[in-house]
Amino acid sequence: AQKITQTQPGMFVQEKEAVTLDCTYDTSDQSYGLFWYKQPSSGEMIFLIYQGSYDEQNATEGRYSLNFQKARKSANLVISASQLGDSAMYFCAMRGWNTGKLIFGQGTTLQVKP
Amino acid sequence: NAGVTQTPKFQVLKTGQSMTLQCAQDMNHNSMYWYRQDPGMGLRLIYYSASEGTTDKGEVPNGYNVSRLNKREFSLRLESAAPSQTSVYFCASSSLGDMAYEQYFGPGTRLTVT
Repeated sequence: AQKITQTQPGMFVQEKEAVTLDCTYDTSDQSYGLFWYKQPSSGEMIFLIYQGSYDEQNATEGRYSLNFQKARKSANLVISASQLGDSAMYFCAMRGWNTGKLIFGQGTTLQVKP
Repeated sequence: NAGVTQTPKFQVLKTGQSMTLQCAQDMNHNSMYWYRQDPGMGLRLIYYSASEGTTDKGEVPNGYNVSRLNKREFSLRLESAAPSQTSVYFCASSSLGDMAYEQYFGPGTRLTVT
């Protein structure tokens, strides 16, 4: 069975600093994808970044990067230069190779302080 | 493109009432999904449809039925609503064939069962 674990229910970060949100996963699939989504207080789900299990390079998208450590089964999200608009809930999710289903973690609430 | 649309946005039901949540996508995606999000938790998959004409149970299917009406539309039905079904319901769609394809989410339906 697949499982995603996010151990940080809430995080604080000072504006303009970097922050790392933790995500570990468990799967027996050889091929899988890892995603991060942002959910602001308005409730919509916003896709941030994707990492494939066979990708050798860590994914980056603007201020977002994914620190992928396959042997440790971790896929941490790094947000550089935090902005007030980054305050939101962040979800890590995993997709198996043969279905499009996403398994989500419980989320981390990030608050950016001015 | 409207992306993924859901109706209604809000709904209050009494215990035992039935209702159908509607979802449509205009991105020509093969796969569609229904999730529920309870307070403080991640999204959990209720049902999904990998392609037109197929539906499968997800993690929490009890109390729900689905219909993939055509490639665009995927509805979720609550036959006899219970207070435990109070939640925010998200519909999503995705292409298959490439692990990297993210899921696109609708704005959600906030359902309260009294």
